Amino acid sequence: DAGVIQSPRHEVTEMGQEVTLRCKPISGHNSLFWYRQTMMRGLELLIYFNNNVPIDDSGMPEDRFSAKMPNASFSTLKIQPSEPRDSAVYFCASSLFSGPQHFGDGTRLSIL
Amino acid sequence: DAKTTQPNSMESNEEEPVHLPCNHSTISGTDYIHWYRQLPSQGPEYVIHGLTSNVNNRMASLAIAEDRKSSTLILHRATLRDAAVYYCIPSGGGADGLTFGKGTHLIIQP
Repeated sequence: DAGVIQSPRHEVTEMGQEVTLRCKPISGHNSLFWYRQTMMRGLELLIYFNNNVPIDDSGMPEDRFSAKMPNASFSTLKIQPSEPRDSAVYFCASSLFSGPQHFGDGTRLSIL
Repeated sequence: DAKTTQPNSMESNEEEPVHLPCNHSTISGTDYIHWYRQLPSQGPEYVIHGLTSNVNNRMASLAIAEDRKSSTLILHRATLRDAAVYYCIPSGGGADGLTFGKGTHLIIQP
């Protein structure tokens, strides 16, 4: 079975550039989550969607971050403009109702 | 969210049982206790969850204290592949976001 698919796996870009991270959840799952992991702060929830609707974005660090879920099979997390402190591993996860969350392999983002 | 306390690290030998403790004294009555683990360079992986009764699955067992203020994840026969960071997370369920703490770094010696 295909799991959660994230792209790209690695992204290196310069400060000020726009970054778009992509996620394809497991087919049939109705909840989607974006997390960020750094050494300093660990794993943090950024935002999550239920049935394509954003439910809680209180974890989004600032207005430079935005997330969309235009349909049940695709979501994006955008950072514009990017800053070096945004460097982290970004994980997407999906779940079916209150079932376990299934995580992708993450996108390792480096902002120079 | 309920606060959790886990040992920073634990060490065990291969093929021996491992008991990973977690204190969650402020857990609400409706929160499940979820355990996830994160292998090196991978995303977190669901292990097990429970509410009040002890639970078993193919990966592990979960023992929940009667007062629900603590729980123990049991790996019955650790292998080198079980070396990971293990997170204990009280939560209402998968439809809500998870709040990860620092977890326990489990080291398995051959």
